[in-house]
Amino acid sequence: DTGVSQNPRHKITKRGQNVTFRCDPISEHNRLYWYRQTLGQGPEFLTYFQNEAQLEKSRLLSDRFSAERPKGSFSTLEIQRTEQGDSAMYLCASSSSGGPRTDTQYFGPGTRLTVL
Amino acid sequence: TQLLEQSPQFLSIQEGENLTVYCNSSSVFSSLQWYRQEPGEGPVLLVTVVTGGEVKKLKRLTFQFGDARKDSSLHITAAQPGDTGLYLCAGAGRGAGGTSYGKLTFGQGTILTVHP
Repeated sequence: DTGVSQNPRHKITKRGQNVTFRCDPISEHNRLYWYRQTLGQGPEFLTYFQNEAQLEKSRLLSDRFSAERPKGSFSTLEIQRTEQGDSAMYLCASSSSGGPRTDTQYFGPGTRLTVL
Repeated sequence: TQLLEQSPQFLSIQEGENLTVYCNSSSVFSSLQWYRQEPGEGPVLLVTVVTGGEVKKLKRLTFQFGDARKDSSLHITAAQPGDTGLYLCAGAGRGAGGTSYGKLTFGQGTILTVHP
């Protein structure tokens, strides 16, 4: 079990550019989550997948954001036409859907996005 | 919308002191997790509590889930400088049949500093 991994760890981009982040969950986990965390705040939910299906999207996820999990394994989060307000830590987590105790979410190290 | 209020927001104490962090909500959660986060890293799971009234101990850390599953507390005995960090509580919502459901709702976090 290698844990949840995220790439890249840091991304600096100019306003208006597109960026894509990748998350590889714990291999036996069928649920995958994306959160966003700004400085001094707790993480905020963006979206989650069970296998390939995207089951919920937050209102925080504007039309410029899209997430995919095409084969039910890794996931990508794309932000189009980035804005300075998108600067944040983007966190990925995974869990199993067996019940309240097995649904514990394990987080990756995050991708720190800075939009100039 | 589920909300978790975490207090205090900041704690600065001397080594050897005891402390308690609280998380309160008007919503019922199927489970509640406590995480610790270092700067620039993702949250690391400390414990999951599921049953109302449940108490879990992890060395000098004691976690309690309220009887009604709406609140939780983290108590640290004889704090050490290595306990310094951001502590986050997070509640999982309830799906059909009381099963866990998707996203976590996080508290604002407690920044703990333990001085030698």
